[in-house]
Amino acid sequence: IAGITQAPTSQILAAGRRMTLRCTQDMRHNAMYWYRQDLGLGLRLIHYSNTAGTTGKGEVPDGYSVSRANTDDFPLTLASAVPSQTSVYFCASSPVGGSGANVLTFGAGSRLTVL
Amino acid sequence: GQNIDQPTEMTATEGAIVQINCTYQTSGFNGLFWYQQHAGEAPTFLSYNVLDGLEEKGRFSSFLSRSKGYSYLLLKELQMKDSASYLCAVSGGDYKLSFGAGTTVTVRA
Repeated sequence: IAGITQAPTSQILAAGRRMTLRCTQDMRHNAMYWYRQDLGLGLRLIHYSNTAGTTGKGEVPDGYSVSRANTDDFPLTLASAVPSQTSVYFCASSPVGGSGANVLTFGAGSRLTVL
Repeated sequence: GQNIDQPTEMTATEGAIVQINCTYQTSGFNGLFWYQQHAGEAPTFLSYNVLDGLEEKGRFSSFLSRSKGYSYLLLKELQMKDSASYLCAVSGGDYKLSFGAGTTVTVRA
């Protein structure tokens, strides 16, 4: 199935635990992104990668890390989860980064609850 | 940084027209996007404007005025399936997309 696959779909996590959200795309897009979506705040960029082997910080990077070992995968790790990280997380990709006409394709989202 | 404002909610009747306004202040500008997001689903791309003027795509049109920092999304001949959130997003000087909080449109029979 062409597109972006995120896992897990939903997860409840105890505070202090480590969690990795997985994201895989099969469109051979160069750029990938992680956003979080919270009610009333919209989508906020956490981290991004313009190409395999490179990553960058977005608007709200604290408490999160990413890696981009290959074109297809872009996992997001919470080293020690806190309740304020309760959110819906969307992975997205685009053909190129650093381009104006940069249409993003989004995954279905991962709903994370930190207790 | 980016500051993007759009109304929180709008309600309209099936078959009517609704206009969703978006104002923005950005550091640099490389285009304005509109995305549609149904409840519990992923956002999907609707339109892209980089030059001033109106872009029409079927029942949906999007307008941009760069000098005013203003855009609108026009939804015509509203259908029940158009009930969704509509997200205004701006590509700034760093080419990263910043999103507004979204406008929830409810279409009533």
